[in-house]
Amino acid sequence: GAVVSQHPSWVICKSGTSVKIECRSLDFQATTMFWYRQFPKQSLMLMATSNEGSKATYEQGVEKDKFLINHASLTLSTLTVTSAHPEDSSFYICSAREMDRGNQPQHFGDGTRLSIL
Amino acid sequence: KQEVTQIPAALSVPEGENLVLNCSFTDSAIYNLQWFRQDPGKGLTSLLLIQSSQREQTSGRLNASLDKSSGRSTLYIAASQPGDSATYLCAVYGNQFYFGTGTSLTVIP
Repeated sequence: GAVVSQHPSWVICKSGTSVKIECRSLDFQATTMFWYRQFPKQSLMLMATSNEGSKATYEQGVEKDKFLINHASLTLSTLTVTSAHPEDSSFYICSAREMDRGNQPQHFGDGTRLSIL
Repeated sequence: KQEVTQIPAALSVPEGENLVLNCSFTDSAIYNLQWFRQDPGKGLTSLLLIQSSQREQTSGRLNASLDKSSGRSTLYIAASQPGDSATYLCAVYGNQFYFGTGTSLTVIP
């Protein structure tokens, strides 16, 4: 089945640093990838939709200058948390949808736990 | 805006019991509904996908139903096992995914 790989799975860093998270579709091409954030004991909230070759679409309340998204190829999207602070600590999950399968299921990565000290 | 609610928030049952998890949503204009399992600190595992035109889907001990008109879905787990312990999320897909807050299930050996 379709596999989405997310890296790293866990990162701890100091406040003020920038952290990059990668999301790769391993055996399919994805024109669209999605980034979610999940705070403890809360559900997943969509942060942004990443479109290959164009700018990402951010949900209301998500700072695009803080959460930089790049979708440079059909198999890779990256999320960079710039100048991270403790309140950015969360579980970040990406998902990808196969090309030309508009309403078909998205495939999810295993998530990245980000802890900012 | 779509709102997805899951009841109960937590459930503890003895091994072997059958159980039902509930999911309700406010906007019936959806393409599909999906049930996921999430283990602590892990990503999502898709369990069942129900298209908007379908009423139910089955996989092994799992059965999910969908009543789009009333905005409800249920996930039925038969003969529960300790390995079923996890958080179960339902999500509806319209123009994007909207997730419920989940039901944390503990199956006691």
